[in-house]
Parts: sequence; C-alpha cells; structure tokens
Amino acid sequence: EAGVTQSPTHLIKTRGQQATLRCSPISGHTSVYWYQQALGLGLQFLLWYDEGEERNRGNFPPRFSGRQFPNYSSELNVNALELEDSALYLCASSVQGATYGYTFGSGTRLTVV
Amino acid sequence: GIQVEQSPPDLILQEGANSTLRCNFSDSVNNLQWFHQNPWGQLINLFYIPSGTKQNGRLSATTVATERYSLLYISSSQTTDSGVYFCAVARFSGGYNKLIFGAGTRLAVHP
Repeated sequence: EAGVTQSPTHLIKTRGQQATLRCSPISGHTSVYWYQQALGLGLQFLLWYDEGEERNRGNFPPRFSGRQFPNYSSELNVNALELEDSALYLCASSVQGATYGYTFGSGTRLTVV
Repeated sequence: GIQVEQSPPDLILQEGANSTLRCNFSDSVNNLQWFHQNPWGQLINLFYIPSGTKQNGRLSATTVATERYSLLYISSSQTTDSGVYFCAVARFSGGYNKLIFGAGTRLAVHP
C-alpha cells in the first residue's frame, strides 16, 4: 500500500513569490492535515481538510491556504512568501477525522531566499 | 488550548543504555500518540496510547490519563534510535479535531 506522498521534496522560492505544495493521502483516507515545522522546532498545525472542505485552521495568516480535490489529494498554497516561511511542511492523512490513524508523508522542505 | 510539555529537551546516550521520555499535558485528551522523527524528517507513528501500557520490541509506553502524563521507554538503545521523539495529543470537541504536538525530545545515541 502506498503511503502518503508529498511533492516536491525540496522547493526554493524567492521572497514575494508563491509556493504550491502537494499531498496524496493513503487510499481510503479522506482527511488531510498540513503542519509546518520550522528548523529545530515542533510541528505547528496549519490546516485540516476532509471531504473537500476546510474543517479547521491553525493560527496562520490568510496567505496560507489550500484545497482538497475530489480524489482527496490536497494542495497547500503559500502566497507572498516571507523568509520565515522557510520550513519543512508535513502532510498527514487519516480516515475521516480520526487522529489515531495519522500517517505522515516525508515532507516538502521549502526554502525562501 | 491544550499545552503539551516534553522532557528532557535533549538526551545523549551511549549505545545500550535505557531512557525514559516524559510528556505532560494540561487537559483531558481522547488521543495521545508518540512519534519518532528520523534525521531525514520522516515521522513514524510509534504508539497510539490514550491510556494504559503498550510495548513494541525495545520500546514501550505508558499513559496515566488521570494524572495527565505519558512516558516512553527506550531500552538497549541503538544508534538508529537517534532523532526527535514527539508526543501529540487531541481532544475531540464539537467536531474540532487536530493533533497538538509537544516540542519534542532530541535523542542522540552514540556507539
């Protein structure tokens, strides 16, 4: 069974640009969660999508947004990139809303220069 | 919101040593998990343990929900145990549902 896949693995962007990160959940999982992990720090909750809807949002500005597609894959968009957005972005999936079944992808390392 | 505190923040061990990592949380929770993040960033789910005790090989975990803490035991540590160990909790409330992570314990096991 394929795990959670994220792309790209690495992304380098210039301040002010937009970044798009992608996540494909495990087959059968309808919930997708996005987390930000700045260098050396813990995971900060960004967004939770389920059945195509945004269910919950962490304490991040509106320039962090995303969507979930009918096949349950998800995109995270970060607009007007700032240097402090440099981080590892991790995606997890689970069956609908079930946090016990979290499976994480390998992450996208975003570097803003 | 729920606060999650992990201790110690850093731990250095010689291969073969045992260790105990602690996770304290500030409110009742429905879910508690332990994760290991390897040096390449991959997060691996170790235990789902909202209460009770579980064991998996050299690792075991105990959660005392009434006293709001959980312990992760690593016995006979190996260099491959190095990385960051995260405790994460969740409380379901009106459909609100997310895992809240502690800051982690960074473990280095030396040969």
